[in-house]
Amino acid sequence: DTGVSQDPRHKITKRGQNVTFRCDPISEHNRLYWYRQTLGQGPEFLTYFQNEAQLEKSRLLSDRFSAERPKGSFSTLEIQRTEQGDSAMYLCASRRTLNTEAFFGQGTRLTVV
Amino acid sequence: SQELEQSPQSLIVQEGKNLTINCTSSKTLYGLYWYKQKYGEGLIFLMMLQKGGEEKSHEKITAKLDEKKQQSSLHITASQPSHAGIYLCGADSYGQNFVFGPGTRLSVLP
Repeated sequence: DTGVSQDPRHKITKRGQNVTFRCDPISEHNRLYWYRQTLGQGPEFLTYFQNEAQLEKSRLLSDRFSAERPKGSFSTLEIQRTEQGDSAMYLCASRRTLNTEAFFGQGTRLTVV
Repeated sequence: SQELEQSPQSLIVQEGKNLTINCTSSKTLYGLYWYKQKYGEGLIFLMMLQKGGEEKSHEKITAKLDEKKQQSSLHITASQPSHAGIYLCGADSYGQNFVFGPGTRLSVLP
C-alpha cells in the first residue's frame, strides 16, 4: 500500500474563488471519507463514499461544497465561492470495510484570504 | 447522531509520568478507534477495540473498552516526549459515518 495521498498539501486562494482538492485512497479501499479540521478541534465529518456512491453528506456542508468519486477510485472535493470561514485542514481517509481502521492522508491546508 | 466526548481537553505531564485519556460516547459503540495526530499532519492509527471489556496494548500505550461499550480509556505508561500530540477517539456511528471526538492535547515535558 502506498497510503492515502492528498493534493495539494497547501492552497491559498482569494475569497470568492473556487478550489478543488484531490484524494487518492489506498487501492481496493471501498470507503472514502472527507473531513474538515480547524485549529483545536477534532476532524468534522463532511461526506462519505462507498465505491462511487455518496452515501452521506453532513448537514454542515453547504451547497457550495461538492464531492465526487468517479469509478470508485480517487475523489475530489470542490468548494465554490470560497469564504474565509472555509479556511481549515481538509482530511481524506479510506478504509477497506466497516469495522476496519481508516487510513488518513496528510491533508490539504486551505487558507482563504 | 453519534457524539464523542474526550477528557481532559489538554494535559501536560512530566516525562516518565503515567496518564489516562477518556472517551465517552452518547450511544453504544460498534467500534472504537484511537488515533494520534501531530500538529498540521494526518491521523496515525493506534488501536481498534470492538468487544466489551476488550483491552489492547502497543508498546507503552494501553486502550480499554468498557463492558457497556460506551466508554474507552487510553493509558500511557512512563510517558516520553515522543508521545506528545493530539489523541483522538473515533467511532463507527449507526449511520455508518466515522466520527471523532474533539481530541486531547498532550504535552510531555522533558
